[in-house]
Amino acid sequence: DTGVSQDPRHKITKRGQNVTFRCDPISEHNRLYWYRQTLGQGPEFLTYFQNEAQLEKSRLLSDRFSAERPKGSFSTLEIQRTEQGDSAMYLCASSGAGAQPQHFGDGTRLSIL
Amino acid sequence: AQRVTQPEKLLSVFKGAPVELKCNYSYSGSPELFWYVQYSRQRLQLLLRHISRESIKGFTADLNKGETSFHLKKPFAQEEDSAMYYCGGGDGATNKLIFGTGTLLAVQP
Repeated sequence: DTGVSQDPRHKITKRGQNVTFRCDPISEHNRLYWYRQTLGQGPEFLTYFQNEAQLEKSRLLSDRFSAERPKGSFSTLEIQRTEQGDSAMYLCASSGAGAQPQHFGDGTRLSIL
Repeated sequence: AQRVTQPEKLLSVFKGAPVELKCNYSYSGSPELFWYVQYSRQRLQLLLRHISRESIKGFTADLNKGETSFHLKKPFAQEEDSAMYYCGGGDGATNKLIFGTGTLLAVQP
């Protein structure tokens, strides 16, 4: 297992376009998390899945953001009508049940022109 | 509100000197506390968690509930310790993490 995998590594797009990112967690992990990290800040929690159920969403996740994990395995994060402020590193993490530590992917760096 | 504070953006020490990276938390209940490290061009990885009470790469961190702190310490810094260090707290239910802003540790030769 290569750990948490995220695709693409970098995404450059024009303001107003839609983008979608993918995360493949560690195979036996049932919990999956999305975070966003901007320059000079630590990662900020966006949303959390347990299996296919999205159990918590941060207030940071505006209506333009949607995340899915349809079969309880990989997850996608879509941003519609991107804005300059969406430029950030989007990190995915997964963990087992209970208080197991989270394992992070390399992230997807989004740049909005 | 739950909060994790790392007051230092940069900590520069010489090789062989002691290191202490500060972390303070504000949480209701009893949080799980972690230290994550990010070496240059690598992904964020777990360094320590408070319930393990272990030493990794010579680093230790003790939870001080009275001072609400979870400082990371190492008695003798090595150049390979140079990295970004993030302190984080997780709640017991979802285990979502709240991170501090990070401290860049630079170990000079």
